[in-house]
Amino acid sequence: GAVVSQHPSRVICKSGTSVKIECRSLDFQATTMFWYRQFPKQSLMLMATSNEGSKATYEQGVEKDKFLINHASLTLSTLTVTSAHPEDSSFYICSASGQGDPYEQYFGPGTRLTVT
Amino acid sequence: AQRVTQPEKLLSVFKGAPVELKCNYSYSGSPELFWYVQYSRQRLQLLLRHISRESIKGFTADLNKGETSFHLKKPFAQEEDSAMYYCALSTPGGSYIPTFGRGTSLIVHP
Repeated sequence: GAVVSQHPSRVICKSGTSVKIECRSLDFQATTMFWYRQFPKQSLMLMATSNEGSKATYEQGVEKDKFLINHASLTLSTLTVTSAHPEDSSFYICSASGQGDPYEQYFGPGTRLTVT
Repeated sequence: AQRVTQPEKLLSVFKGAPVELKCNYSYSGSPELFWYVQYSRQRLQLLLRHISRESIKGFTADLNKGETSFHLKKPFAQEEDSAMYYCALSTPGGSYIPTFGRGTSLIVHP
């Protein structure tokens, strides 16, 4: 089946610094990628949807200047958390859907971000 | 607006007991419904979707349009079924962006 990878799996950074998280589709072309945030024991909160080559669409309440999303190719999307603060500490998950079945989503393993 | 409700945050059963994880949705049209599962320390993965009408790992889910429900059932729970289960809804009108329920943690005791 389709595989989505995320890098890094875990990152610790200092308050005020920026962190980049990569999401790659390894064996298929991802026309759409999604970025979620997951709090402990809670559901996934969709942050933004990105289509290759176009600007990301952010959900209400998500600061686009703080969470920069770039979907430069059909296999790579990046999420950059700028000027991170402790409240940004969370589990960030990406998913991707391909050209075949738009309903089918493949999830990455997630990235644990801790801001100290 | 589309919405998915999973009323139970936690469901605790003993091995061999039947399991039903509830999911209700609100959407006026014909949605595509999914159950995703997240085992401990693993990524979210698709368990089943209503259109395929398959039984995966002994789980089944029937779409009841009258009750707007898509409950997940298994007649005999196993310890390895312990995980977080998320019901999700997706529609063409919503650009296929899934709406997730808050999730139900299933714990199967030996």
